[in-house]
Amino acid sequence: AQKVTQAQTEISVVEKEDVTLDCVYETRDTTYYLFWYKQPPSGELVFLIRRNSFDEQNEISGRYSWNFQKSTSSFNFTITASQVVDSAVYFCALSGTGGFKTIFGAGTRLFVKA
Amino acid sequence: GAGVSQSPSNKVTEKGKDVELRCDPISGHTALYWYRQRLGQGLEFLIYFQGNSAPDKSGLPSDRFSAERTGESVSTLTIQRTQQEDSAVYLCASSSDGYQETQYFGPGTRLLVL
Repeated sequence: AQKVTQAQTEISVVEKEDVTLDCVYETRDTTYYLFWYKQPPSGELVFLIRRNSFDEQNEISGRYSWNFQKSTSSFNFTITASQVVDSAVYFCALSGTGGFKTIFGAGTRLFVKA
Repeated sequence: GAGVSQSPSNKVTEKGKDVELRCDPISGHTALYWYRQRLGQGLEFLIYFQGNSAPDKSGLPSDRFSAERTGESVSTLTIQRTQQEDSAVYLCASSSDGYQETQYFGPGTRLLVL
């Protein structure tokens, strides 16, 4: 069975702090895909990143970075120098060859205070 | 280009009535997904379409829920004899192929059953 765990329900930081959102996954598939989505207060989910299981290179996009470690089944997301506009719910998700569905974690609500 | 659109954006109905929710995917996207998101919760998978067939309906919560898709186009999610626990945001997403591709989400339909 596939599972995604986002243990942090809510995180509150002050602007300009760095923050890491944790994501741990479980799957028996050897080929799988991991995703992060952002859901701002407006409600519409915004795609952030997709990573396949064969690519363990970390990725940086502006203030965002992702750390994929197969050894610990984790795909953590770090926001550097957080801003108020980063306040949102962030979802980690997993898709694999074992099924058609994408499994989403419960989400982490991030509050960034000015 | 146009994104995923959903209609209506909001729907208020009385318990026991039937409702139809519509999703227009991104043109050319063969895969289409329906999710349910209760207030403050994560995404709950309902059904997946590849073309007009539904290889995975495992998330439909009861036989009151059904969905159809016309070719690689519009999909309709129907809830019969609505119950108060059906109140949620219903999200539709499409992707260019199957599970390995990024899903792009619509704005959702907020359903309130009184």
